[in-house]
Amino acid sequence: DQQVKQNSPSLSVQEGRISILNCDYTNSMFDYFLWYKKYPAEGPTFLISISSIKDKNEDGRFTVFLNKSAKHLSLHIVPSQPGDSAVYFCAASEAGNTPLVFGKGTRLSVIA
Amino acid sequence: DTAVSQTPKYLVTQMGNDKSIKCEQNLGHDTMYWYKQDSKKFLKIMFSYNNKELIINETVPNRFSPKSPDKAHLNLHINSLELGDSAVYFCASSKGGLITDTQYFGPGTRLTVL
Repeated sequence: DQQVKQNSPSLSVQEGRISILNCDYTNSMFDYFLWYKKYPAEGPTFLISISSIKDKNEDGRFTVFLNKSAKHLSLHIVPSQPGDSAVYFCAASEAGNTPLVFGKGTRLSVIA
Repeated sequence: DTAVSQTPKYLVTQMGNDKSIKCEQNLGHDTMYWYKQDSKKFLKIMFSYNNKELIINETVPNRFSPKSPDKAHLNLHINSLELGDSAVYFCASSKGGLITDTQYFGPGTRLTVL
């Protein structure tokens, strides 16, 4: 019962171009969404989040878009840099202290 | 100045053994977590502690027992290890237990059960 799905296991993008990572969810009770980035042999690090009351949140080169009706969110990275090459995890949670539910991750490779 | 540290980084052991993984955070956070990333790459919450008290205990075999001697430490003890326990285990911490409190992860412990 995958409540959070990242259907693309990998993505390759040229340096300087836009990277778009997608995430779908099935639980309509989710109201807080996050993206984490993970380098090899390290733990995930928080990147950006969005509450269900918003449809967009921006932080520098990173923008997360939320489409509640489609139960879909995406992470845009512009411009992509080689240092962005990592595995990106989408995560979601219901209100309160409920645990994070993670997707399987998408491996982004930014090619110089 | 590692924020969340775990030891050991790698652990290889035989089925049936008992092992422990240690976690320490120096961020002054009140809440700590254990996650398991299995072979299918899903990262799943196992336990959450707030100020040394258990607040989340997902469906995990009772062979897994977390112990929090103080709020900076959350250790994971695993008894009678099974092949299916092979995974990467991540410890994390956050200031509070709210979902809006950013979770900081340790580097992970790769457990291999032979």
